[in-house]
Amino acid sequence: EIVMTQSPATLSVSPGERATLSCRASQSVSSNLAWYQQKPGQAPRLLIYGASTRATGIPARFSGSGSGTEFTLTISSLQSEDFAVYYCQQYNNWPPYTFGQGTNLEIK
Amino acid sequence: QLQLQESGPGLVKPSETLSLTCTVSGGSISSSSYYWGWIRQPPGKGLEWIGSIYYSGNTYYNPSLKSRVTISVDTSKNQFSLKLSSVTATDTAVYYCARRGPAVMLRDAFDIWGQGTMVTVSS
Repeated sequence: EIVMTQSPATLSVSPGERATLSCRASQSVSSNLAWYQQKPGQAPRLLIYGASTRATGIPARFSGSGSGTEFTLTISSLQSEDFAVYYCQQYNNWPPYTFGQGTNLEIK
Repeated sequence: QLQLQESGPGLVKPSETLSLTCTVSGGSISSSSYYWGWIRQPPGKGLEWIGSIYYSGNTYYNPSLKSRVTISVDTSKNQFSLKLSSVTATDTAVYYCARRGPAVMLRDAFDIWGQGTMVTVSS
């Protein structure tokens, strides 16, 4: 099973600033990596697939990068609606699909 | 557009079987491009994939749950279902159904989710 590790667990950033979230895989997942955003009481929403492709309707301020074992989600200029929990997920080696433990992006 | 909706009991007794159904609307579950899956989230915790099914009935399960999980599909009702047997308090979670995108151009992430349903295991 591939273990996904996200850092930091909590990230405090001011609105308008840049946020950088990291995800590491215990072995290579190539570019089979997705990022999800989850707000309280809501289902996760797909932001990025293929490590760097924005899903339909996702604003350009969200960008993903990386391949292999190291990945980054960058939010270029934080809006109030971006404060949420973010999860990475690998879909290269399955079963099982595995998720990171999440990064809580909070307002500074 | 495509929507998924979970349904089922919100309270299950320990040692019994948890049963949930996901109804797909706005599209066909029989599309050859997609898998359909169940993912759960214990209160305050992260996401755990339970298993996935293809419209033909092919299933894939998380090895950690495989002995207790059955996922089935009913194409005539455009639904797929989850059964989790011998539940304990650790199975208390929000259960989501989700569509896995097509396995082309790296699009096979979970692109559409239901709203989720809370299931509590308690006597």
